[in-house]
Amino acid sequence: KNEVEQSPQNLTAQEGEFITINCSYSVGISALHWLQQHPGGGIVSLFMLSSGKKKHGRLIATINIQEKHSSLHITASHPRDSAVYICAVQRGATNKLIFGTGTLLAVQP
Amino acid sequence: DTGVSQDPRHKITKRGQNVTFRCDPISEHNRLYWYRQTLGQGPEFLTYFQNEAQLEKSRLLSDRFSAERPKGSFSTLEIQRTEQGDSAMYLCASSHPEAANYGYTFGSGTRLTVV
Repeated sequence: KNEVEQSPQNLTAQEGEFITINCSYSVGISALHWLQQHPGGGIVSLFMLSSGKKKHGRLIATINIQEKHSSLHITASHPRDSAVYICAVQRGATNKLIFGTGTLLAVQP
Repeated sequence: DTGVSQDPRHKITKRGQNVTFRCDPISEHNRLYWYRQTLGQGPEFLTYFQNEAQLEKSRLLSDRFSAERPKGSFSTLEIQRTEQGDSAMYLCASSHPEAANYGYTFGSGTRLTVV
């Protein structure tokens, strides 16, 4: 079993829909990251959180440390949100990241 | 600084050849990480530098792989005697000394194809 599990693996939505991507982990962490990866490889950091909730524009990330669960929400989705969204947990003295396999999101106009 | 730079962006090499990749992190970032990502998978940790010291290496980093960060600035990752299984995206990331308050900055990656 992977230490970081994401669901769903693939998600297709219509423009304007509210989207939720879930992440569960099974190890102790110092923080959790949500990342966005477009075709071609570049990874962009969206959020780093260790408790509670963060919001940036149409994106909201929440984490429940006790339940070892995090969610990424996208409100009023748009085709430009189409990308792979990756959950990663930060652990150890080196703060290295352990990644989930990602969620491929396609938002159709 | 415009971010983390990686060079080259793409590399095609014949099996058995040696390759070297370079990563230039953000200048004030003392923490530098290498990750490897194969198709359809999330990245996997390879190695970590704090300044010039290599403090952690993954078991994925076989003896054909070596990484350096000689002056605590740029880093190189060398793969000797490449194999087809080495084909992947090699990602470099750096973070600020106060890592608890700052996230990672990733480079665009070097895509290696071994033919």
